Amino acid sequence: GAVVSQHPSRVICKSGTSVKIECRSLDFQATTMFWYRQFPKQSLMLMATSNEGSKATYEQGVEKDKFLINHASLTLSTLTVTSAHPEDSSFYICSARDRYGSSFLNTEAFFGQGTRLTVV
Amino acid sequence: KNEVEQSPQNLTAQEGEFITINCSYSVGISALHWLQQHPGGGIVSLFMLSSGKKKHGRLIATINIQEKHSSLHITASHPRDSAVYICAATPNTDKLIFGTGTRLQVFP
Repeated sequence: GAVVSQHPSRVICKSGTSVKIECRSLDFQATTMFWYRQFPKQSLMLMATSNEGSKATYEQGVEKDKFLINHASLTLSTLTVTSAHPEDSSFYICSARDRYGSSFLNTEAFFGQGTRLTVV
Repeated sequence: KNEVEQSPQNLTAQEGEFITINCSYSVGISALHWLQQHPGGGIVSLFMLSSGKKKHGRLIATINIQEKHSSLHITASHPRDSAVYICAATPNTDKLIFGTGTRLQVFP
């Protein structure tokens, strides 16, 4: 199956600093990637949909200035947590779907390995 | 009420047991996904199905579109099957709607 690579897998940073998380599709072109956040023992929460070459679409309640998303190429999307605070500590995971025609409706979802962010 | 509901939330089993995890959804869907999340957090796509039944090794997934219900079965369970199993629905949009997950522990 297709592979989505996410780095880093773990990061610890100081409060006030910024952290960049990369998500790469290794063997297919991901015109759209999805960024999720997951709190312990909870389900995945969609943060934003990242579209190659255009601005990301953020879900309600997600601060676009705090979680900067860049999708500059068909294989790379990045999420930057700016001015991180301890409450941003969480598990972040990206997903890409191999677009079939013009729709994702019947395509598999491939996930990165996730990034566990700890802000101290 | 969640649009995608799973049961049970937690499941323990002895090695070798047959396991069933259920997923019910209330939205119209084009496909349903079964995902496996390991303790480290990584997620693997197990199945995507829109009708009938699929089998991969010891895993079987079924879906009944009329009843809006899907099941994931694990035959001859093994401790390495211990993980969180998540069903996710694709309604007629690009987004996935996730169930709350079923935490499975298989003991030797």
